Amino acid sequence: DAGITQSPRHKVTETGTPVTLRCHQTENHRYMYWYRQDPGHGLRLIHYSYGVKDTDKGEVSDGYSVSRSKTEDFLLTLESATSSQTSVYFCAISGESSYNEQFFGPGTRLTVL
Amino acid sequence: DQQVKQNSPSLSVQEGRISILNCDYTNSMFDYFLWYKKYPAEGPTFLISISSIKDKNEDGRFTVFLNKSAKHLSLHIVPSQPGDSAVYFCGDQGNLIFGKGTKLSVKP
Repeated sequence: DAGITQSPRHKVTETGTPVTLRCHQTENHRYMYWYRQDPGHGLRLIHYSYGVKDTDKGEVSDGYSVSRSKTEDFLLTLESATSSQTSVYFCAISGESSYNEQFFGPGTRLTVL
Repeated sequence: DQQVKQNSPSLSVQEGRISILNCDYTNSMFDYFLWYKKYPAEGPTFLISISSIKDKNEDGRFTVFLNKSAKHLSLHIVPSQPGDSAVYFCGDQGNLIFGKGTKLSVKP
């Protein structure tokens, strides 16, 4: 299995509070991604990174920001959490080519009350 | 606008029979598609891929077919096993877009 972990695995927070989710990899892969999975929507890309300090927006980026200061860490921040951001968040990594398959982390279940 | 559509939310199949999961797409950048399998409370795992230079790719019990003119691909699982019960996502790797998934149930 690819070395990819997510923390925390579960979080309950209140509307308006900031939240940061962490993705950590030990594979030295270039690409890292954040997705959210919701019933009826499947997997939707939030942001991705193609290198240290290089990031781009995905399909559902509003309300989220990311940072990648080291190859191994990709942080997802909800500046002011809303109930619509209650979801399961998955981090994924892939290698040097855009033709590489993605390896997913175990997910973080976030509940915003 | 790029889209990937899995029009069947669920599929139920008897053990030993064939499972066929379908996926339609529009405006793919590279015509490179991947299938992922997801069990509850776990992250998706890569299953099989296909690129535009092929119309078929096979890996054991899993075969993916690509029809570029129809913008359609399908995943065949033969024979289906109860352990195949999971949600299957079709993904357009060029556009980083996934379908909504199809929940496969294989009954013993």
